Amino acid sequence: DIQMTQSPSTLSASVGDRVTITCRASQSISSWLAWYQQKPGKAPKLLIYKASSLESGVPSRFSGSGSGTEFTLTISSLQPDDFATYYCQQYNTYPWTFGQGTKVETK
Amino acid sequence: EVQLVESGGGLVQPGGSLRLSCAASGFTFRSYSMTWVRQAPGKGLEWVSYITRSSTTYYADSVKGRFTVSRDNAKNSLYLQMNSLRVEDTAVYYCAKVFCDAECYPPSDWGQGTLVTVSS
Repeated sequence: DIQMTQSPSTLSASVGDRVTITCRASQSISSWLAWYQQKPGKAPKLLIYKASSLESGVPSRFSGSGSGTEFTLTISSLQPDDFATYYCQQYNTYPWTFGQGTKVETK
Repeated sequence: EVQLVESGGGLVQPGGSLRLSCAASGFTFRSYSMTWVRQAPGKGLEWVSYITRSSTTYYADSVKGRFTVSRDNAKNSLYLQMNSLRVEDTAVYYCAKVFCDAECYPPSDWGQGTLVTVSS
């Protein structure tokens, strides 16, 4: 199975900060990577697919980059609504696998 | 508007069975692959199973041989039959739809989830 490793596990930031989350795959997944945002008690929300494509309706402050085994999610200017947990997911190969999550909290 | 509504969760003893349902509306169900993802209390997301438009199925190793995913296109419904349940299967179970054309996209529409608790 492909292992997905996110860092950091927790990130403390303030409104307006530029935030970067990293996701590493244990083997190449080309660009078959998605990023989700999840808030407590809610279903995940798709932000980015194919490593860098912005899902419709998602604010442009979110962006994704990378290919192969190294990927990043960047929030250019953190907004109050962005405090949440973020997950990467590979969909290159079954079984699909998720990273362990990165919680973005208030500094 | 796309709606996915899971049901069938509840409390079950270890070794027991449960059948989850996911009622779909607002889109042409038969044209989409579907997937189940779960989340144990306070933990991360774990992919469980996937069923294509033609009912080809895939499973996580942790549930293979115990869970069965199926669909009824006439009823716009997705199912997850869960047998030989273990304490570690305790989780919120989400269904989600997957669009595939020349390639498949990650799930963009999810249900609200149904809680399965396995405990004696």
